[in-house]
Amino acid sequence: NAGVMQNPRHLVRRRGQEARLRCSPMKGHSHVYWYRQLPEEGLKFMVYLQKENIIDESGMPKERFSAEFPKEGPSILRIQQVVRGDSAAYFCASSPGGVNEKLFFGSGTQLSVL
Amino acid sequence: QKEVEQNSGPLSVPEGAIASLNCTYSDRVSQSFFWYRQYSGKSPELIMSIYSNGDKEDGRFTAQLNKASQYVSLLIRDSQPSDSATYLCAVLIQGAQKLVFGQGTRLTINP
Repeated sequence: NAGVMQNPRHLVRRRGQEARLRCSPMKGHSHVYWYRQLPEEGLKFMVYLQKENIIDESGMPKERFSAEFPKEGPSILRIQQVVRGDSAAYFCASSPGGVNEKLFFGSGTQLSVL
Repeated sequence: QKEVEQNSGPLSVPEGAIASLNCTYSDRVSQSFFWYRQYSGKSPELIMSIYSNGDKEDGRFTAQLNKASQYVSLLIRDSQPSDSATYLCAVLIQGAQKLVFGQGTRLTINP
């Protein structure tokens, strides 16, 4: 029973490029959450998605960031025209039925912007 | 005021002693509270959840909740070096459908 799978583990981009981060939830989970973590800081909520729906994107920057969770395939967090300040660890978590349930986290994607 | 606040530490505790981690939150109607442990360079893992006032014990871990004071804590008894990690408090913001984390407390258990 595979856990939450994120890829890539490490992603290096130059300023202005696009970053695409992928997250496959645990089997049977239909709720996905994305968090960003800067060094020595806690997890900052970005977005909460269910299949084909964005439930809460209050933590997403207004520009350059988007997220989707299609009917088929993984959830994607997309960052366009990356800047150095986007460098962080991005964690995905999934749950079977909403945040009252235990969140299972993936291993994260470390994004480095040169 | 931050939604969830923790002392960032570092907190140093001798091996075998009790480690006490504290967290306060601002949303008065929150009902669900969680403690996650995160080792350096790793992903967070849930160690305790608590929903009612009082204490909840699981092995060496005890979570304590006081909704009137908007305060939740985690006690680790018989601390081990392997408990050295960052402990994240998380609160479900009622109606917002999102789990908000504190900045975490870095705990070091000294042999």
